[in-house]
Amino acid sequence: DAGVTQSPTHLIKTRGQHVTLRCSPISGHKSVSWYQQVLGQGPQFIFQYYEKEERGRGNFPDRFSARQFPNYSSELNVNALLLGDSALYLCASSLGPQGFEKLFFGSGTQLSVL
Amino acid sequence: DQQVKQNSPSLSVQEGRISILNCDYTNSMFDYFLWYKKYPAEGPTFLISISSIKDKNEDGRFTVFLNKSAKHLSLHIVPSQPGDSAVYFCAASEGGAGSYQLTFGKGTKLSVIP
Repeated sequence: DAGVTQSPTHLIKTRGQHVTLRCSPISGHKSVSWYQQVLGQGPQFIFQYYEKEERGRGNFPDRFSARQFPNYSSELNVNALLLGDSALYLCASSLGPQGFEKLFFGSGTQLSVL
Repeated sequence: DQQVKQNSPSLSVQEGRISILNCDYTNSMFDYFLWYKKYPAEGPTFLISISSIKDKNEDGRFTVFLNKSAKHLSLHIVPSQPGDSAVYFCAASEGGAGSYQLTFGKGTKLSVIP
């Protein structure tokens, strides 16, 4: 069975540009979460989507947005990129939206902003 | 303000000995705790979890202990194997909050020496 897949694996952008990151969850999983991991830090929660609705949002500016499609895949969009947005962006899927479900993470998209 | 703290950035242990990784938290609302393991170029993978109603959970070579009064948990790996060498993240959740938001520590890099 395929795990969580993310694309692209690496991306280089310049300040002020826009970026779209993509995530396909494990088959049957309806919840997708996005995390940002800056070098030397633990992953930080950005968004959670379940059944195409936003269920949670972390402490990130409005430049960050996301959506979930009918097939449960998801996109993370970041506008007006800043140098500080350079990070590994992790997508995770789970069966349900809450409780004691275990998250399954993808390998991430490494974003470098120059 | 870090709500989940892993104060040891790294730990080296001889193969066959016990590895003890520590984690402290400050948020009294956390009711579910997890440990994730991360290899380079891969996403974090779930290792073991514990609910706040328990003080110990065991799975093979891995045991997690929770001390709620001290807001402290630890992961014991016995015996340690070279394949256990990875970064270990402690994470916590307010499971009943309606969204699956995990708060991660910064991680501890475990090196198991053959």
